[in-house]
Amino acid sequence: QKEVEQDPGPLSVPEGAIVSLNCTYSNSAFQYFMWYRQYSRKGPELLMYTYSSGNKEDGRFTAQVDKSSKYISLFIRDSQPSDSATYLCAMTTSQGGSEKLVFGKGTKLTVNP
Amino acid sequence: DTAVSQTPKYLVTQMGNDKSIKCEQNLGHDTMYWYKQDSKKFLKIMFSYNNKELIINETVPNRFSPKSPDKAHLNLHINSLELGDSAVYFCASSQTGALNTEAFFGQGTRLTVV
Repeated sequence: QKEVEQDPGPLSVPEGAIVSLNCTYSNSAFQYFMWYRQYSRKGPELLMYTYSSGNKEDGRFTAQVDKSSKYISLFIRDSQPSDSATYLCAMTTSQGGSEKLVFGKGTKLTVNP
Repeated sequence: DTAVSQTPKYLVTQMGNDKSIKCEQNLGHDTMYWYKQDSKKFLKIMFSYNNKELIINETVPNRFSPKSPDKAHLNLHINSLELGDSAVYFCASSQTGALNTEAFFGQGTRLTVV
């Protein structure tokens, strides 16, 4: 079983839809939970991070963590064509005194105008 | 001013060749990484360096040899390239000390081995 599982999609939605992206994980040592966004032919960029179980909002984006179920989600409200990208969940743990980011496989999202 | 820059952006080469990818960051970070993203977009860590010292080596074949001349640079040399090495390689950097630290990625080097 991979440490981080993410449904790779792809996901295609109309503009204005609510999008739900999810990841599950198996390693209880993960401490921070992040969402990165990667546009085509670009490097990933951090979108949001959370630490504890619960919700965190940033504009149209809400990150949700349920540590008891080892499940994280990203919700996008009022999705826009500019949200079309691959979304990667990522989790951090320590290894050898360095931070280690473990990524999910990414979900490709297309928002159609 | 690009925070994490890597060169070249594209690399097409024949099997068996040796090639290098260079990476530089101007963020003052002390940790740098190499990640490999395969055709299915799976991004996997290869190496992590902290202040020029190798910290993480994720069972990468020893044909891959990272070199960090100083904490702002982390280069990746690949010997005897194989078809399976075709992927996008990303360099990244972060500031050590907090698990919520953001990793900044370069634009990637698309390596194609023919």
